[in-house]
Amino acid sequence: NAGVTQTPKFQVLKTGQSMTLQCAQDMNHNSMYWYRQDPGMGLRLIYYSASEGTTDKGEVPNGYNVSRLNKREFSLRLESAAPSQTSVYFCASSVRRGTYQPQHFGDGTRLSIL
Amino acid sequence: TQLLEQSPQFLSIQEGENLTVYCNSSSVFSSLQWYRQEPGEGPVLLVTVVTGGEVKKLKRLTFQFGDARKDSSLHITAAQPGDTGLYLCAGLDNYGQNFVFGPGTRLSVLP
Repeated sequence: NAGVTQTPKFQVLKTGQSMTLQCAQDMNHNSMYWYRQDPGMGLRLIYYSASEGTTDKGEVPNGYNVSRLNKREFSLRLESAAPSQTSVYFCASSVRRGTYQPQHFGDGTRLSIL
Repeated sequence: TQLLEQSPQFLSIQEGENLTVYCNSSSVFSSLQWYRQEPGEGPVLLVTVVTGGEVKKLKRLTFQFGDARKDSSLHITAAQPGDTGLYLCAGLDNYGQNFVFGPGTRLSVLP
């Protein structure tokens, strides 16, 4: 069982470069999420997709864009990377947003912006 | 914005000891989840508590949701090295839509 798969696992960028983080889930979940995790700050929601075809901003959306490509895939794009975006990025999915159902997380992408 | 605080931030204990970690807020949450995260991996759900005053047990782990649904605790009995990790609490916000995560308690259990 793959669950939630994130690529790449590690990436180093220079300021101003762009890149897309990929996420795919094989659990037929309706909702998907992107979080960033910084030391001492827990997980903060960047964007979410409650269902296929919809996306909405979370707590910290500035500097990011997302695409829900289909039910399985949800990508996160940094158009012009900044050092403040150095973080560990987690993708998660759940049966349905706003319920007690657990979120299933990928293993993260460790991103450094120089 | 609803916030969750966790204490202690770090905890290092010997195998066999008992411990309690806390998750607190000034806000009411619809439900609360506890996750454990190991290095290099994503968080994994341990438990969900929904009702104020609810107590759930998972082997040596006991979870309690405060009566007012503003706080929660996790108690581990006879800690083992395999319990080492980052423990995160996450509350479902007032609108019942998104989870807010606390900063975590990093636990180290020494053999």
